[in-house]
Amino acid sequence: DGGITQSPKYLFRKEGQNVTLSCEQNLNHDAMYWYRQDPGQGLRLIYYSQIVNDFQKGDIAEGYSVSREKKESFPLTVTSAQKNPTAFYLCATSRGGQSRKDGYTFGSGTRLTVV
Amino acid sequence: GESVGLHLPTLSVQEGDNSIINCAYSNSASDYFIWYKQESGKGPQFIIDIRSNMDKRQGQRVTVLLNKTVKHLSLQIAATQPGDSAVYFCAVRTGANNLFFGTGTRLTVIP
Repeated sequence: DGGITQSPKYLFRKEGQNVTLSCEQNLNHDAMYWYRQDPGQGLRLIYYSQIVNDFQKGDIAEGYSVSREKKESFPLTVTSAQKNPTAFYLCATSRGGQSRKDGYTFGSGTRLTVV
Repeated sequence: GESVGLHLPTLSVQEGDNSIINCAYSNSASDYFIWYKQESGKGPQFIIDIRSNMDKRQGQRVTVLLNKTVKHLSLQIAATQPGDSAVYFCAVRTGANNLFFGTGTRLTVIP
């Protein structure tokens, strides 16, 4: 099956710890995105990558870091600098390219809780 | 820039009735629009999209209407079923920019 795999589904972090959320896709999509979702709010863009070895900050990048060493993978690290990391994190992909008009395909999400 | 808002954060409908969920956007240059459905604890799923050269598009039990004059988008769900209960998001794209998401409307279907 083609799709996006996010792991783990649930993650607990202690204060001051860094944690890494995994996102893997086999859709052969060029672009990948990380969103944060808080209760009652829309999706807020953390980071995105249009191509391997390149990524851009989104609207709320502070306290987060990413890498894009492979087309299939776009891991997100939530660092200790992120003061309020408890949220639902969504990874998405798209075919990308300026000439394309297509939507995003989303993974099933990782729920991160600070304990 | 872009801002996207939904008119109602919650909507309750009787099973079998039609549902209408509305969305307003701010940028008149926006040219691609999508509706997503998100069930509890899951990622959003694509429902239907529409490009700015159209004003209506139909899918299975769903219709999207686009009014570019007033920058308004709506999703109509016919014969709403309990399985339609979810949060519905509109997303808007302007040119090559990333999608911009609204805050979502929670649809509750009353049996």
